[in-house]
Amino acid sequence: SAVISQKPSRDICQRGTSLTIQCQVDSQVTMMFWYRQQPGQSLTLIATANQGSEATYESGFVIDKFPISRPNLTFSTLTVSNMSPEDSSIYLCSVIGSEAFFGQGTRLTVV
Amino acid sequence: GESVGLHLPTLSVQEGDNSIINCAYSNSASDYFIWYKQESGKGPQFIIDIRSNMDKRQGQRVTVLLNKTVKHLSLQIAATQPGDSAVYFCAGVPLNYGGSQGNLIFGKGTKLSVKP
Repeated sequence: SAVISQKPSRDICQRGTSLTIQCQVDSQVTMMFWYRQQPGQSLTLIATANQGSEATYESGFVIDKFPISRPNLTFSTLTVSNMSPEDSSIYLCSVIGSEAFFGQGTRLTVV
Repeated sequence: GESVGLHLPTLSVQEGDNSIINCAYSNSASDYFIWYKQESGKGPQFIIDIRSNMDKRQGQRVTVLLNKTVKHLSLQIAATQPGDSAVYFCAGVPLNYGGSQGNLIFGKGTKLSVKP
């Protein structure tokens, strides 16, 4: 199994600012995924992050709003830029091993 | 396109009873389905999976049934315990993603409450 450390676990941010979420995995993985879970909702894939290439974004998500870094095979960051209250969600990273493993999530509140 | 959804948003059962959580999907071009459990404040945890060439798979206290004819799958939990209280999501993997579990399409979730 993969152990994923995600931080921060929660944050309250002012609108217009940006927050960078970090995801550290205890083993090397090719693909890392970032999901958003809006309050009371299911998970929606934001983007797929491969090491050494640009992230692939799903429909409705753009790089300017959610820039992603993937500097090596154990680490990735997701930045939520120019935040508005609508960005208040839980953001989760995920990796693939024998199954899909998820981080604990980052609960973001934008005020 | 693919969409996966759940019939009921909440389910309340008595401790010791069996629970059945249902999920419907709209796109038959899915190769693989997974059930996740999400406890409050935590990320989803894998429970059990099933491939489209199967109609039933059993785990410890859990069984997943897949009915491709009506595009429906269910999660059965035997002898439900208070620790089973959580939100349960089904997720599907579209075939065109080559079977990568990362491109999961999640259903809305069912909140299971177990009464002692």
